Amino acid sequence: GNSVTQMEGPVTLSEEAFLTINCTYTATGYPSLFWYVQYPGEGLQLLLKATKADDKGSNKGFEATYRKETTSFHLEKGSVQVSDSAVYFCALRSGGSEKLVFGKGTKLTVNP
Amino acid sequence: DAGITQSPRHKVTETGTPVTLRCHQTENHRYMYWYRQDPGHGLRLIHYSYGVKDTDKGEVSDGYSVSRSKTEDFLLTLESATSSQTSVYFCAISEGLAVTYEQYFGPGTRLTVT
Repeated sequence: GNSVTQMEGPVTLSEEAFLTINCTYTATGYPSLFWYVQYPGEGLQLLLKATKADDKGSNKGFEATYRKETTSFHLEKGSVQVSDSAVYFCALRSGGSEKLVFGKGTKLTVNP
Repeated sequence: DAGITQSPRHKVTETGTPVTLRCHQTENHRYMYWYRQDPGHGLRLIHYSYGVKDTDKGEVSDGYSVSRSKTEDFLLTLESATSSQTSVYFCAISEGLAVTYEQYFGPGTRLTVT
């Protein structure tokens, strides 16, 4: 079945540090890949997505590239801010499927 | 922001009592979902709906039932709550199944079963 594995945190960085959160997946067919962010006390918001191999999703300075050869979708940001402190979820959905499959989430804390 | 509300936002109930959570959308999206979020598990799908009166099970559906009598409302019922159902419950909506369609999430309901 489909599954997502992401690095478990927590991750603690200083402001302006480089961020990488690893995500790898197992899926049949050609899934779409997503990163969601959950700020404290809130629901999940879509951060970025990629729907086919080699696509790069980007938003708010975050980027992730859909790598079919390594089945990966790592999240990166060049310079994190305190306001980026949140839990980040990698997810996938196979074409025609109603279901999002989530990783377990990575908690990021950015200190000033 | 997608127009999704959940009620109640917080609830404490006793083991064995029935509980109903409500999700309401103003987007007229066809698909609605209920997830639960637990530490170490991420989000797991409980049930989903693909239209009025059309529902199906997700991966953790035991102990839960759902109903959708109107496009805008999707109800999740715990017939007899257990402590293992203490969790944060999220509703989500989407327009369709094409891979370009995103799922939009509500603010969540924190349920504690004592």
